[in-house]
Amino acid sequence: QSALTQPRSVSGSPGQSVTISCTGTSSDVGGYKYVSWYQQHPGKAPRLLIYDVTKWPSGVPDRFSGSKSGNTASLTISGLQAEDEADYFCCSYSGSYTWIFGGGTKLTVL
Amino acid sequence: QVQLVESGGGVVQPGRSLRLSCATSGFTFSSYGIHWVRQAPGKGLEWVAVIWYDGSNINYADSVKGRFTISRDNSRNTLFLQMNSMRAEDTAVYYCARLAHSYHMDFWGQGTTVTVSS
Repeated sequence: QSALTQPRSVSGSPGQSVTISCTGTSSDVGGYKYVSWYQQHPGKAPRLLIYDVTKWPSGVPDRFSGSKSGNTASLTISGLQAEDEADYFCCSYSGSYTWIFGGGTKLTVL
Repeated sequence: QVQLVESGGGVVQPGRSLRLSCATSGFTFSSYGIHWVRQAPGKGLEWVAVIWYDGSNINYADSVKGRFTISRDNSRNTLFLQMNSMRAEDTAVYYCARLAHSYHMDFWGQGTTVTVSS
């Protein structure tokens, strides 16, 4: 199964907002509420940002928000900060105890 | 606090085997499923395998099915990944990650590096 489709890179200036899309199919993103987003700084382990499409784990600022429409999920980061520069990955449950990740998006804070 | 610590990585020749471990603490291991996720150099994350809290459900990505085996020892709070018939494309950092009750991965280990090369 191919990875979910994410833009290779996005950029924004401090204080601005950026949105990262994650496109799948009705068998994954469109078929389940189990879309999650992860942030990964270079050389570090991924960190959970959003789960169940729109929910925050404790400790994650509400500058990060998630949404979904059809087969596409989105992560919006508002009030960009320098420390937001990282790679971002979406992940969806895809049925029968399988999961699929997106290819990842590199966020550059200008 | 919740901790997952991978070990067992290293350099292995194609066709050989390697066994990874994931030692956990800070939570009731026997109540949670655990994933293995890998990341090839410069690439994205790839889901590898999952095992349910009691071992009742296990599944693998097609890329490793028939070669890798996930298992757990709830008495030792430890997860394992037995990797056989290894290939160059198995070269990656391997992470274990806790399966939260809502099908996401809420805590991750720091990863262990596996290199398959002759």
